[in-house]
Amino acid sequence: EPEVTQTPSHQVTQMGQEVILRCVPISNHLYFYWYRQILGQKVEFLVSFYNNEISEKSEIFDDQFSVERPDGSNFTLKIRSTKLEDSAMYFCASSESQTKNIQYFGAGTRLSVL
Amino acid sequence: AQSVTQPDIHITVSEGASLELRCNYSYGATPYLFWYVQSPGQGLQLLLKYFSGDTLVQGIKGFEAEFKRSQSSFNLRKPSVHWSDAAEYFCAVGEGLTGGGNKLTFGTGTQLKVEL
Repeated sequence: EPEVTQTPSHQVTQMGQEVILRCVPISNHLYFYWYRQILGQKVEFLVSFYNNEISEKSEIFDDQFSVERPDGSNFTLKIRSTKLEDSAMYFCASSESQTKNIQYFGAGTRLSVL
Repeated sequence: AQSVTQPDIHITVSEGASLELRCNYSYGATPYLFWYVQSPGQGLQLLLKYFSGDTLVQGIKGFEAEFKRSQSSFNLRKPSVHWSDAAEYFCAVGEGLTGGGNKLTFGTGTQLKVEL
């Protein structure tokens, strides 16, 4: 069964450093998403991406964040200068279409900012 | 803005007992509704979804959910719980076809514990 793959599973970084979280969405999907889950809190939407541009972003997704689809298979989330409060589980998701928006999630990347 | 409420943070049931997890949503139009399950260290797995039509939907692992528009609810049920069902369950609402990316809004989750 096709699945969304995320790497690394755990990323430890120092405050102020840049991190790139990587995702390989399901191959025929066209819509891509990033969510995050701070420990003990709900899953929150960060950004959606379609046709090589951002479709929607939340208030959380400020100028420190960026997304990119550098090639035909990868979808990345970059945090330019990490803060302690960026520590969270980051989930990538993808969906095939807009009319039936079934989002499939990866296993997540746990980001720990020290 | 859409929102989801899961009023039960923790639920404990005995193996073999029935289960109902509550979910209430707030959304102006007809919502897309989902239940996801998250086992420890795992990602979010889709259990079932509702888009339209029959208000009782069947999912994987023997789960079902019923959409009740009058109550703005989408409760998850299982007639007989197995120990392997212990996990965290998230209800989510998605926008209908409004254009854009159709983000999902999640509830805070219900942690299910199964006693043997």
